[in-house]
Amino acid sequence: DFVMTQSPDSLAVSLGERATINCKSSQSLLSTSNNKNYLAWYQQKPGQPPKLLISWASTRESGVPDRFSGSGSGTDFTLTISSLQAEDVAVYYCQQYYSSPPNTFGQGTKLEIK
Amino acid sequence: QLQLQESGPGLVKPSETLSLTCTLSGGSISRSSYYWGWIRQPPGKGLDWIGSIHYSGNTYYNASLESRVTISVDTSKNQFSLQLRSVTAADTAVYYCARMSGYSGSGNYYYYMDVWGKGTTVTVSS
Repeated sequence: DFVMTQSPDSLAVSLGERATINCKSSQSLLSTSNNKNYLAWYQQKPGQPPKLLISWASTRESGVPDRFSGSGSGTDFTLTISSLQAEDVAVYYCQQYYSSPPNTFGQGTKLEIK
Repeated sequence: QLQLQESGPGLVKPSETLSLTCTLSGGSISRSSYYWGWIRQPPGKGLDWIGSIHYSGNTYYNASLESRVTISVDTSKNQFSLQLRSVTAADTAVYYCARMSGYSGSGNYYYYMDVWGKGTTVTVSS
């Protein structure tokens, strides 16, 4: 099975500053047939279900603020929040869907305000 | 707008069977584009995919749970269900149902979760 490892486990960033969360896959998530990376990012606020932010490594879901962006290819991916807002406090998960089943999640990164 | 709602007992005794249902509103389960999945989250921990089903009945399961899990679909009720047998305290978790988008082909399955239910807490205890 693919192993997804996120870093850091927790992160504290000042309001208005940039937050960067990394996700590394044990194997490449890039399909050579369509040049797509099979990686999604989710946001989970306390007491709420996860919410899909980004699919295909960089495609933002409708309604997701443009301060959220996804990048990377192959085995290394990044979720960037360009200017942290108070409502962005959450746990963020990456998930691969290139080699599934199983759908494999990272362990999560807890984002807080400094 | 599609909404998913989990339902079922909040307390299950050890060795018994956990049974949950996910009911859709605002959309049909019989859409060929989607799978429908179950995901769980133990207290204070991360997300674990349990399994998924297509309205046609095709299923995928997490190998770690496959011997104890059955996922079924009832298109007439716009529902799908989870049964987890022989539960232990380790099965205590919030259980989520979700719609899964993506595609399948050549025997492979490429789906991510794009709509989630609110989740239901299941505690395994005597």
